[in-house]
Amino acid sequence: AQSVTQLDSQVPVFEEAPVELRCNYSSSVSVYLFWYVQYPNQGLQLLLKYLSGSTLVKSINGFEAEFNKSQTSFHLRKPSVHISDTAEYFCAVSAVGNEKLTFGTGTRLTIIP
Amino acid sequence: EAGVAQSPRYKIIEKRQSVAFWCNPISGHATLYWYQQILGQGPKLLIQFQNNGVVDDSQLPKDRFSAERLKGVDSTLKIQPAKLEDSAVYLCASSLTGPGNTIYFGEGSWLTVV
Repeated sequence: AQSVTQLDSQVPVFEEAPVELRCNYSSSVSVYLFWYVQYPNQGLQLLLKYLSGSTLVKSINGFEAEFNKSQTSFHLRKPSVHISDTAEYFCAVSAVGNEKLTFGTGTRLTIIP
Repeated sequence: EAGVAQSPRYKIIEKRQSVAFWCNPISGHATLYWYQQILGQGPKLLIQFQNNGVVDDSQLPKDRFSAERLKGVDSTLKIQPAKLEDSAVYLCASSLTGPGNTIYFGEGSWLTVV
């Protein structure tokens, strides 16, 4: 079975400052990794995912995450945040060959003007 | 492209009553999921269908929860009788079949049991 730990339940950041949202996972088998975002009053949307290949994956709105197998991490970063990035961010994992997603508890990102 | 549709969006019921949620997945998506998201927690998979067959229902409390996808398209999740701890958002999602495919979520059905 897989598990995901998001240690930071809330992260306040000033606008235009960098941010890192931490995600660690546990699994005895190879995994796929995902970041989902939930904007206020909206459903979950895929932000980015790692399946294979380059360990650095990027989203269209400036976020990136790096798969680190030795540290079992998949931290999400953005060099400069905007008010519109205010949302809850969920890290998720699935075993390779399995469609079932296991989610972390989420990190609420609040942007301070 | 239309997204995953869910209804009702909000429901308040008393404990021991029953409730049903409906989901219409994205056209062409053979795989359909129901997740439960309790406040402050991440979504938890309740049941996964591929077409009209159940792939995984290991975390579905079968004494009170049931789900069906009779024609391999729409799905219904039912809770009977409801308990206070069932208060949560029920998320329906769908994807093309196959690991690693993007899972698309609906906006959710918010259930409050009083």
